Amino acid sequence: AQTVTQSQPEMSVQEAETVTLSCTYDTSESDYYLFWYKQPPSRQMILVIRQEAYKQQNATENRFSVNFQKAAKSFSLKISDSQLGDAAMYFCACADGLTFGKGTHLIIQP
Amino acid sequence: NAGVTQTPKFRVLKTGQSMTLLCAQDMNHEYMYWYRQDPGMGLRLIHYSVGEGTTAKGEVPDGYNVSRLKKQNFLLGLESAAPSQTSVYFCASSAWGEQYFGPGTRLTVT
Repeated sequence: AQTVTQSQPEMSVQEAETVTLSCTYDTSESDYYLFWYKQPPSRQMILVIRQEAYKQQNATENRFSVNFQKAAKSFSLKISDSQLGDAAMYFCACADGLTFGKGTHLIIQP
Repeated sequence: NAGVTQTPKFRVLKTGQSMTLLCAQDMNHEYMYWYRQDPGMGLRLIHYSVGEGTTAKGEVPDGYNVSRLKKQNFLLGLESAAPSQTSVYFCASSAWGEQYFGPGTRLTVT
């Protein structure tokens, strides 16, 4: 069975600074996807970034990047130049999204 | 292109009543999912489907039934609602490992 652990229930960062959200996972799959989703107060789930496990290069989407450590089963999300609109719940997910972490509430301090 | 839609958006039920939540997608995806989201619990998979006519149990299937008679629709049924089923329900469909979420249904069982 897959498990996904987000050890930070809440994180706070000053606007324009960088923050890293942690995620560890466990899966018996040899090939899989990893995702970070953002859920703002509107409740809509929004895909932030995706990583394919067979790719060694870390995925990047504008201000969002990941640090994917396959051997350590670690998949952290780095948000650079934090903006007020980044405030949301962030969920890490493994494989086809069958397993989600419990989420990290990100607060942006103006 | 509507993506993933859910009907209804809100519902209040009394204990013991039944209802069906409808999820529809227009992206021709094979995979569809039903999740529930509770405070502090992230998203938990209820049931999923890998194609028309197929369904499978997820992490928390008890008290729910599903059907996938048409590829574009995935129905979630509650035969006898209980207060423990008060939650926000999300439907999703996926292709190439990326999930697309509906806007959610807030269900309250009194």
